[in-house]
This record gives sequence, C-alpha cells and structure tokens, in this order.
Amino acid sequence: QQPVQSPQAVILREGEDAVINCSSSKALYSVHWYRQKHGEAPVFLMILLKGGEQKGHEKISASFNEKKQQSSLYLTASQLSYSGTYFCGTVHAGSSNTGKLIFGQGTTLQVKP
Amino acid sequence: NAGVMQNPRHLVRRRGQEARLRCSPMKGHSHVYWYRQLPEEGLKFMVYLQKENIIDESGMPKERFSAEFPKEGPSILRIQQVVRGDSAAYFCASQGQYNEKLFFGSGTQLSVL
Repeated sequence: QQPVQSPQAVILREGEDAVINCSSSKALYSVHWYRQKHGEAPVFLMILLKGGEQKGHEKISASFNEKKQQSSLYLTASQLSYSGTYFCGTVHAGSSNTGKLIFGQGTTLQVKP
Repeated sequence: NAGVMQNPRHLVRRRGQEARLRCSPMKGHSHVYWYRQLPEEGLKFMVYLQKENIIDESGMPKERFSAEFPKEGPSILRIQQVVRGDSAAYFCASQGQYNEKLFFGSGTQLSVL
C-alpha cells in the first residue's frame, strides 16, 4: 500500500530543476507532499485532490494524474533551502472518510552552491 | 496558536520498561496520527485516531503497543516492555478534518538501553 517514490536521491546545483515522482498501485483520493529537514519535523507543502490538478508553492509545483495513480513534484530554479527529504503521502479512494495517509519512502534532495 | 506539542522530546528506557509518549494536537483538531521513523528512513504509519475512537491501527504491532485519544487530554502512545528495536523517533501529527494537511509535532526520540 505504500506509494513508491523515485528517485531515491538527487543532487543538484543551485538554480537547477528536479522532478520527484510518486506512484501508487491503488486508486487515489488525494496526494500530499511534505518536506523534512534533518533532525526536524516534516512540513506540509501541498495537497492535490483532483485528477490532473496542479498546484504551486513558491517555485515548487505538483501534478496529480488520477488515471495513472501518480503525482510528480517539480522544483524549479532550486535554492539551498530546498535541501531535505521529500515525502509523498497518499489516501486511497473509496475509504469513506476514514482513509489513512501513508507515506512513501522519501526522496533526499541535496542542493549545492 | 500553539502547534502540535509532543513530550518528552527525548525518552530513555531500559529493556522491559514502559514508554508513554504524549501528543497534544493543535487547538480544534480532532484527528491524530502516529508515525515511527528510523534514521535515514521514511515515516511508517502506526495508528490514526479521532477523539475517543481508533480509526485505523493496522500499522501498530499487535502486542505491547497501544494508543488512545481521550475526550479530554492528549493522545498517548504506550509501549509496554520495550525492546531495543523500539528505539526510533515517534512523530505525531494532527489534522482538523479528514484529508486536510497534517501538522507535525517535533517528535519524541525513544532510546532503549
């Protein structure tokens, strides 16, 4: 049931772009994205609720393809502050308002000067 | 407006003792999640609770682990007869309504000697 994230790790130079993917074997009701810095708690980035929905947060945006049961997180013109581990969390469809949020294994992003 | 409060931040127990981890959700939030995280690993779902109800405890080991979220007071994650393998960071997160964003506490680092 755990969503699968790829890649596992990314190393970027400041200003470069990155894409992190999240896929599920089950139909999805929603996808959440969070970022966790080392030694800290995860912090919310965005929720995607509808198929094909795209959302943005600063220079970070995401898409949700309901049919493919996939979501992608796009980081453009990366900054040093973007470094951390990114987690997608999924809620499965048809769970009648009781569906739990399950996280993927995480993607570690390191942005270098 | 205080965030999610977890205590203690660090808890040291000897094998066989009991560990009690507390989580006070954000004001007005009635949903609480507990996740476990090992170093350099993801957030593993343990239990999802609403006030006075356990919605989903499929991630909790059947023995030694229990959780509650009473009408009054914090949510408690209780681990009886701790073993070294229980050493981990335990995060709680609260949610206002189903499928809204999660607000995480700072976590409790449990060390079992």
